[in-house]
Amino acid sequence: RKEVEQDPGPFNVPEGATVAFNCTYSNSASQSFFWYRQDCRKEPKLLMSVYSSGNEDGRFTAQLNRASQYISLLIRDSKLSDSATYLCVVKPDRGSTLGRLYFGRGTQLTVWP
Amino acid sequence: SQTIHQWPATLVQPVGSPLSLECTVEGTSNPNLYWYRQAAGRGLQLLFYSVGIGQISSEVPQNLSASRPQDRQFILSSKKLLLSDSGFYLCAWSGGFNYGYTFGSGTRLTVV
Repeated sequence: RKEVEQDPGPFNVPEGATVAFNCTYSNSASQSFFWYRQDCRKEPKLLMSVYSSGNEDGRFTAQLNRASQYISLLIRDSKLSDSATYLCVVKPDRGSTLGRLYFGRGTQLTVWP
Repeated sequence: SQTIHQWPATLVQPVGSPLSLECTVEGTSNPNLYWYRQAAGRGLQLLFYSVGIGQISSEVPQNLSASRPQDRQFILSSKKLLLSDSGFYLCAWSGGFNYGYTFGSGTRLTVV
């Protein structure tokens, strides 16, 4: 079983739509969680960390469910500029490789006008 | 502020030729450094990581090697490239366990 699994999509939504991505992870002792954004042919960039109580950054809301080992990202009022691949990222417990992150394969989003 | 530099941006190399990709970090000391590869349409694959000078750990057996001759320099090398080495190579650094990664802009390698 892969460490991090995501629905690859693609998700094609109109501007202004709300879209949600889900991700599951296999290591129940995982400590830290992130969402990264990767534009076509570019490097991944940190979008937001995911905290246990859930957190929001503008139009983006991240949720963590430790019991189900499930992470989500909600994008409200989608913009054309949100078109990208969104990577779910998990950092395992301290007993594992120091600082090692596990990346999902990404969910592709296209926002159309 | 911290910055990470990676070069070259694009590289086309013949099969059997050597490879050297360089990554440097500025504005921080003793970073954790990583080399990842992303093949076309695939996820990120960790190749090497380093927690200090001369300390290299390999994740996947292959014909690539890495070195860390200085605290903020990380080099990815190969003596003889294979077609399967084509991909998008990304260097990343982390300030420690509780931090995410910052990636360099990547090198797109095509082996022909």
